[in-house]
Amino acid sequence: EPEVTQTPSHQVTQMGQEVILRCVPISNHLYFYWYRQILGQKVEFLVSFYNNEISEKSEIFDDQFSVERPDGSNFTLKIRSTKLEDSAMYFCASSIDRGYNSPLHFGNGTRLTVT
Amino acid sequence: DAKTTQPNSMESNEEEPVHLPCNHSTISGTDYIHWYRQLPSQGPEYVIHGLTSNVNNRMASLAIAEDRKSSTLILHRATLRDAAVYYCILMRNYQLIWGAGTKLIIKP
Repeated sequence: EPEVTQTPSHQVTQMGQEVILRCVPISNHLYFYWYRQILGQKVEFLVSFYNNEISEKSEIFDDQFSVERPDGSNFTLKIRSTKLEDSAMYFCASSIDRGYNSPLHFGNGTRLTVT
Repeated sequence: DAKTTQPNSMESNEEEPVHLPCNHSTISGTDYIHWYRQLPSQGPEYVIHGLTSNVNNRMASLAIAEDRKSSTLILHRATLRDAAVYYCILMRNYQLIWGAGTKLIIKP
């Protein structure tokens, strides 16, 4: 069964550095998402992306964050200048449609540790 | 506020049915009820969803109260591989609004 793949599985970076988290969504899916989960807390929506532009974003997704689909397969999340509080598990997801009846398929996440 | 409330944890014996409850008393008329689960060290996995009617699929059944203020996820015959955190989630404006989830422990 096709799956969403994320790399790296674990990223350690120093505060103030830029990081790029990478995702390869399922090939025929059209909608892409980033969610994050700080240790011990709820999963939080960051952003959704369709047709090469952001569809929705949460308050968490401020100017420090950006997303891009640089080619036909990759979907990336960039954090420009990382802060300690950005340490979390970041999940990429994709869906074939945006509708309420379209399940999201998640990757296994990238654990980001900011020191 | 689209909020769901679930027990922190539940235990069940292997090969027995499991009923996981969820309260969503502030649900609005257009919110869909989704369930995802997260196995250890993995990303969330879709289980089932519904709007008003009860739903069945190969993984589980979803029973939705008539007033839609609560729902129950039913695993008909739990196995050790079903041990996971189960999230009851409202989908509003195409966004999944997550709760804290129920950690399901399966005893052999």
